Amino acid sequence: RKEVEQDPGPFNVPEGATVAFNCTYSNSASQSFFWYRQDCRKEPKLLMSVYSSGNEDGRFTAQLNRASQYISLLIRDSKLSDSATYLCVANYYGGSQGNLIFGKGTKLSVKP
Amino acid sequence: NAGVTQTPKFQVLKTGQSMTLQCAQDMNHNSMYWYRQDPGMGLRLIYYSASEGTTDKGEVPNGYNVSRLNKREFSLRLESAAPSQTSVYFCASNEGGDITDTQYFGPGTRLTVL
Repeated sequence: RKEVEQDPGPFNVPEGATVAFNCTYSNSASQSFFWYRQDCRKEPKLLMSVYSSGNEDGRFTAQLNRASQYISLLIRDSKLSDSATYLCVANYYGGSQGNLIFGKGTKLSVKP
Repeated sequence: NAGVTQTPKFQVLKTGQSMTLQCAQDMNHNSMYWYRQDPGMGLRLIYYSASEGTTDKGEVPNGYNVSRLNKREFSLRLESAAPSQTSVYFCASNEGGDITDTQYFGPGTRLTVL
């Protein structure tokens, strides 16, 4: 099984802090990458897609380093509402089908 | 749009009982998926349906069956539940038939097998 590995966390940070999550993937053929956010006892929701070297959306920046098979997510000016688990996801093609491989997630807790 | 809906939200079964988890989407998506999520594990794909009329096994299909009833609905059946199937089950869907496209998830079904 191809793996996606994430920082184990939890990350406990004060409001306004900058926090970075790291993720590595084992399948060099992976082409599509995502960060999902999952609140406690809720479903995962897409935060960002990462198709090229990186992507930025407001306070969130995702970067991709294909040579190192490494993806990162940077959150600037953390808000209380950013508290959640962040899932790193990579695609994987095995045999005749594609698949998404989910990391186990990194928990973020933003404190006042 | 309601997006992806799942029923029931919670279920407790005894070992050996059967049940069907229901999933429906109103986004006119071609592809639908069933995942399970266990503590300390990432989401794992059970079965998927790339389009109406087709189903394929994912990473952990044993003990499950699926039916793509129509374009909107994709059900997951446990014929003889086992404690190892205690988990949170998520249904997901996406547009283009490519499993690697962005997926939209339902709220989940929390299943406990005693």
